[in-house]
Amino acid sequence: EPEVTQTPSHQVTQMGQEVILRCVPISNHLYFYWYRQILGQKVEFLVSFYNNEISEKSEIFDDQFSVERPDGSNFTLKIRSTKLEDSAMYFCASTQGGHLGYGYTFGSGTRLTVV
Amino acid sequence: GENVGLHLPTLSVQEGDNSIINCAYSNSASDYFIWYKQESGKGPQFIIDIRSNMDKRQGQRVTVLLNKTVKHLSLQIAATQPGDSAVYFCAENIGDSWGKLQFGAGTQVVVTP
Repeated sequence: EPEVTQTPSHQVTQMGQEVILRCVPISNHLYFYWYRQILGQKVEFLVSFYNNEISEKSEIFDDQFSVERPDGSNFTLKIRSTKLEDSAMYFCASTQGGHLGYGYTFGSGTRLTVV
Repeated sequence: GENVGLHLPTLSVQEGDNSIINCAYSNSASDYFIWYKQESGKGPQFIIDIRSNMDKRQGQRVTVLLNKTVKHLSLQIAATQPGDSAVYFCAENIGDSWGKLQFGAGTQVVVTP
């Protein structure tokens, strides 16, 4: 079964450093997303991306965050200057849209720890 | 998973019994709903979805019921198995088609032998 692949699985970074989280969505999917989940809390929407541009972003997704789809397969989330409160699991998701029974496919996540 | 269960409602079910997990959603304009399962260390895993023009949808061992009048969604799991132990989330699609999902807080399901 096709999967959304995320790397690395765990990233530890110092406060103020830049991090790039990487995702390879399912190849025929058209819509891409980043979500995050702070320990013990709900999964929260960050940003959606379609047709090579951001279609929606949440209040969390401020100027410190950016996304790119540099080629036909990768989808990245960059945090320019990490803060302690950015520590969370970050999930990439994708969907082809259309019919019932597909939903949004999530990757296994990157655990980001800011120290 | 990432929900360590400190504040999650927990449903304890005996193996072989049926489970019912409930969810209240927030937006009457939501038109698409999904149930996800999250196991420890993994991302949300799609279980079943339903559109707002439906009341019920069945999958393999699972049934989703939607009551729009009271904004309530439920997931029924038949013959619950140990592998069903996980955190279960409902999610609603708010806004444009294939737009963002808003997740519920989750329910921890524990299957006992």
